[in-house]
Amino acid sequence: DVVMTQTPVSLSLAIGQPASISCKSSQSLLGTSGKTFLNWILQRPGQSPKRLIYQVSKLYSEVPDRFSGSGSETEFTLKISRVEAEDLGVYYCWQGTHFPYTFGAGTKLELK
Amino acid sequence: AVQLVESGGGLVQPKESLKISCAASGFTFSNAAMYWVRQAPGKGLEWVARIRTKPNNYATYYADSVKGRFTISRDDSKSMVYLQMDNLKTEDTAMYYCTRSPFDYWGQGVMVTVSS
Repeated sequence: DVVMTQTPVSLSLAIGQPASISCKSSQSLLGTSGKTFLNWILQRPGQSPKRLIYQVSKLYSEVPDRFSGSGSETEFTLKISRVEAEDLGVYYCWQGTHFPYTFGAGTKLELK
Repeated sequence: AVQLVESGGGLVQPKESLKISCAASGFTFSNAAMYWVRQAPGKGLEWVARIRTKPNNYATYYADSVKGRFTISRDDSKSMVYLQMDNLKTEDTAMYYCTRSPFDYWGQGVMVTVSS
């Protein structure tokens, strides 16, 4: 199975600061279709996960443009340009290129 | 709007069985592969089971940790997906989420607790 490694484990930031989360995979996530199925989801405290980004950098329609995703092959990054209170929670990367799909262990974003 | 609503969780003893359900609405259910993903208390997310669509012969797949004990099924006429869990173990204690491919919508989850 593909192992997804996220860093840091936790992030303590003030409102308005930028955030950056790294996600590395044990195998290339470039699929035979030419697409890279690396995705990000956010789980706010006490809630179920919510979609954020798909195929590395594509934001779902409801996601604010302060979020961005980048990367290729085995190294990916989620960035938040300016953290807002509603961004707090645990961010997970997950890969959908190789079955079984696998998740990173999560990065907890907390308020400083 | 897409909705996934799980039900049927609860407290059971080890080796017992439980069946949880997920009611889907707001999309063409028969066209979507469906998944169960679980989250043990304070832990991360773990894929549990997958069921594909009729054109893919309703093929099913399971995580090694549940293979032979759990069975995923679906009823396209009712827009429902199920997870039959047999021979439950304490390590199966988790919140179970129903989600559709590609994990773009999630239900609110249902808690399954296995304890003597």
